[in-house]
Amino acid sequence: AQSVSQHNHHVILSEAASLELGCNYSYGGTVNLFWYVQYPGQHLQLLLKYFSGDPLVKGIKGFEAEFIKSKFSFNLRKPSVQWSDTAEYFCAVNSFSGGYNKLIFGAGTRLAVHP
Amino acid sequence: DAGVTQSPTHLIKTRGQQVTLRCSPKSGHDTVSWYQQALGQGPQFIFQYYEEEERQRGNFPDRFSGHQFPNYSSELNVNALLLGDSALYLCASSPPSDRGAQYFGPGTRLLVL
Repeated sequence: AQSVSQHNHHVILSEAASLELGCNYSYGGTVNLFWYVQYPGQHLQLLLKYFSGDPLVKGIKGFEAEFIKSKFSFNLRKPSVQWSDTAEYFCAVNSFSGGYNKLIFGAGTRLAVHP
Repeated sequence: DAGVTQSPTHLIKTRGQQVTLRCSPKSGHDTVSWYQQALGQGPQFIFQYYEEEERQRGNFPDRFSGHQFPNYSSELNVNALLLGDSALYLCASSPPSDRGAQYFGPGTRLLVL
């Protein structure tokens, strides 16, 4: 069965620190990979996605993620975090079946950035 | 251009009752998916509707059912509510041109007492 594992449930950083959130997936077929963010009191928003091509994907707000097929990983990075990055981050893989797709999410990583 | 909208925003029910949640997809989107997000967990896929038919289903019992209308809006129905059904219910829609992308609504928070 497909699954997504996020290594850290809670991360606390100071502003300007670098961020890397781990994500590993288990899926045998072609994968589409996503990172979603949920800011406090807001709905899930797409940060970035990987479908094919360059394994280094750049998203909004300075985030990027690298797809490493051999490691089944899709880690999220940001060189310098801001207080406004405080949110919960979800990694997801798109599972295709019969021409239709569904997202399988990890449990999420709650990031707190202190000024 | 309105995004995905859901109603109601909050709901309190008691065990054994039935509930209906509603979702209007983003303009131009024709596929609607429903997810359940329990506290401290990631969203779990419930089912997906396209052309008014259920196309995929996750590991949820038959108490969870849905419907899609000709205008692509959708309903999620849950019968015989259990305490464990308390969660945030998310609706997501996808456009015909990019079915891999899903855009989420704000969710309906359901509390079962």
